[in-house]
Amino acid sequence: NAGVTQTPKFQVLKTGQSMTLQCAQDMNHNSMYWYRQDPGMGLRLIYYSASEGTTDKGEVPNGYNVSRLNKREFSLRLESAAPSQTSVYFCASSERGLTYEQYFGPGTRLTVT
Amino acid sequence: AQKITQTQPGMFVQEKEAVTLDCTYDTSDQSYGLFWYKQPSSGEMIFLIYQGSYDEQNATEGRYSLNFQKARKSANLVISASQLGDSAMYFCAMREGGDYKLSFGAGTTVTVRA
Repeated sequence: NAGVTQTPKFQVLKTGQSMTLQCAQDMNHNSMYWYRQDPGMGLRLIYYSASEGTTDKGEVPNGYNVSRLNKREFSLRLESAAPSQTSVYFCASSERGLTYEQYFGPGTRLTVT
Repeated sequence: AQKITQTQPGMFVQEKEAVTLDCTYDTSDQSYGLFWYKQPSSGEMIFLIYQGSYDEQNATEGRYSLNFQKARKSANLVISASQLGDSAMYFCAMREGGDYKLSFGAGTTVTVRA
C-alpha cells in the first residue's frame, strides 16, 4: 500500500518550458488535491477534484491546469513555466468520513530558471 | 482575510518539556474541522490530530493534544514530553462545512534542544 505517490521528486525547468506532475493514490479515495508550498506561506491549494470527472480551482490556479485521469490519478500541468512557479508541490487525497483527513504525497521540488 | 493564523514562526523547547503551538481560525460556519500536520526536514506531511467543531472533548493522540477553545476560535497544539524527533514545522489547517478543501496556516518551526 504505497498511499500517495508523486513523480518526479525533483525537476528543473527553463522559463517557458512545460511539464506535467503526476500523482496517484491507491486508497480508493474520491477526492484529490494539488498544493504548492512556498517559504513562510504554508500550503496553498492550486486545484482539487472532489470526485472522478470533476475539477475545481483553488486559491492559486493561474498558470496551471489539471486532469483527473481516473479515480487513482490526478495530474498537474504547467504549460509555460515561470520563475514564480518555483515551489514544492504536494498532491493529497481524502475520502468522506469522520474527519476528511488528507493524505499527502512526498512532494515535488520544482525550480524554474 | 487569513482563515488560519499561526503567530509563532519559530520556537525552541528543551527535551522532555511541553510546548504549545498557537493557532487561531476564522470561519462563520458552525460545522468545521481543525487539523495539525507535522513536516519534518525530510519534507513529508504527517497528520497528527483532528478536532471537530462539535466535539465536546479536546482531541488527544499520544503525546499530542489539541486545546480547543471555540469561543476564542483557537486550536492550540500541545506536545508533551518533547523529543528530538519532534523538531519539525507544524501546520494548523481547517476544513469548513461540507467542503473538502483545507486552508493552512504559515506554520511554526519547533526545534527541540537536548
